Amino acid sequence: DARVTQTPRHKVTEMGQEVTMRCQPILGHNTVFWYRQTMMQGLELLAYFRNRAPLDDSGMPKDRFSAEMPDATLATLKIQPSEPRDSAVYFCASGFRELRTGELFFGEGSRLTVL
Amino acid sequence: AQSVSQHNHHVILSEAASLELGCNYSYGGTVNLFWYVQYPGQHLQLLLKYFSGDPLVKGIKGFEAEFIKSKFSFNLRKPSVQWSDTAEYFCATRYNFNKFYFGSGTKLNVKP
Repeated sequence: DARVTQTPRHKVTEMGQEVTMRCQPILGHNTVFWYRQTMMQGLELLAYFRNRAPLDDSGMPKDRFSAEMPDATLATLKIQPSEPRDSAVYFCASGFRELRTGELFFGEGSRLTVL
Repeated sequence: AQSVSQHNHHVILSEAASLELGCNYSYGGTVNLFWYVQYPGQHLQLLLKYFSGDPLVKGIKGFEAEFIKSKFSFNLRKPSVQWSDTAEYFCATRYNFNKFYFGSGTKLNVKP
């Protein structure tokens, strides 16, 4: 059963520390999305990639967040330095654009707590 | 920019009660509409979707949604909920086959 894999599932860190979250999309999927879920904002789109190229990262705080896809099997979201307001659940999702089925496949999320 | 509004943040129902969760979107052009569900401890998964055609869409587990263009709405319904429907439900839109925009989610708690 193919699924999107995210690590770590839980992370507690102190303010100012660097945090890296990783995502392995489903093999063959060519679009990858990063979302952040908070009580106040719901699911916010942070960034998305197609064929490993970043298409939109306008939802991401540029000064501290960065997202990359070093290869087709790995997407990373990095926060440096982290702040308490970054505490949230970060979801990665992947899918096909061309098939237009509409379905995104989500990982189980990385719950980040910044103290 | 597109936005999606879910007005019910937390809904509590007894088993066998009927369910309707509201969803409104802001984009006036062609949109694709979705409902996703997140069961406790699990990842988000697709419940149903609307692209075109019959505005009444049937999904898994007895859920359905109705697209009403004039109201910019895509409400989710189920005639009789079960305890196993306890989950968080997200409405989402997509345009230009690119970005997905999600609502803030509705937590449904079904009491046995």
